[in-house]
Amino acid sequence: GAVVSQHPSWVICKSGTSVKIECRSLDFQATTMFWYRQFPKQSLMLMATSNEGSKATYEQGVEKDKFLINHASLTLSTLTVTSAHPEDSSFYICSARDRESPLHFGNGTRLTVT
Amino acid sequence: GNSVTQMEGPVTLSEEAFLTINCTYTATGYPSLFWYVQYPGEGLQLLLKATKADDKGSNKGFEATYRKETTSFHLEKGSVQVSDSAVYFCDSTDSWGKFQFGAGTQVVVTP
Repeated sequence: GAVVSQHPSWVICKSGTSVKIECRSLDFQATTMFWYRQFPKQSLMLMATSNEGSKATYEQGVEKDKFLINHASLTLSTLTVTSAHPEDSSFYICSARDRESPLHFGNGTRLTVT
Repeated sequence: GNSVTQMEGPVTLSEEAFLTINCTYTATGYPSLFWYVQYPGEGLQLLLKATKADDKGSNKGFEATYRKETTSFHLEKGSVQVSDSAVYFCDSTDSWGKFQFGAGTQVVVTP
């Protein structure tokens, strides 16, 4: 079945540095990718929607300059957390689909900012 | 680790019918449980949640009760509408934030 690979699965970084998270669709073309974050025991929160080749659409309250999303190809989207701070620590999850096909989820990235 | 088993779809039913989507989980400790919904052409959104045993989550006529004894969180709605056609995902999230989604159940409601 369709697989979405998210990398890295766990990253620790120092405050003030930037972290890039990759989301790849392995056997289908991901025309749309979604990025979420999740705090412990809290629900998923949609951060942004990105369509291949165009700018991401961010949800209200999500800082575009802090969470840079690039969807440069039909199989890859990246989320860069710029100038990370401890409050950015959480799970980041991507999902992808090809047009109207069901969503496929990555396994998530646990970000810890020290 | 966590795992979630969710009823396979598609589930096709007529408007005003009763809907049940089964979800069972395995987890260490006491996870929070969620149902998410994805409407056609949209991203995922939270439908309801329950954070401890016997809690009942409810929203838009949907309900689910956190059953610790049966490790289940079945989603129900008494009278579905065409607008409820969507894909529904069950999720178990532990205290570390590690989540586990079910495979999703497509629901098709016909007029």
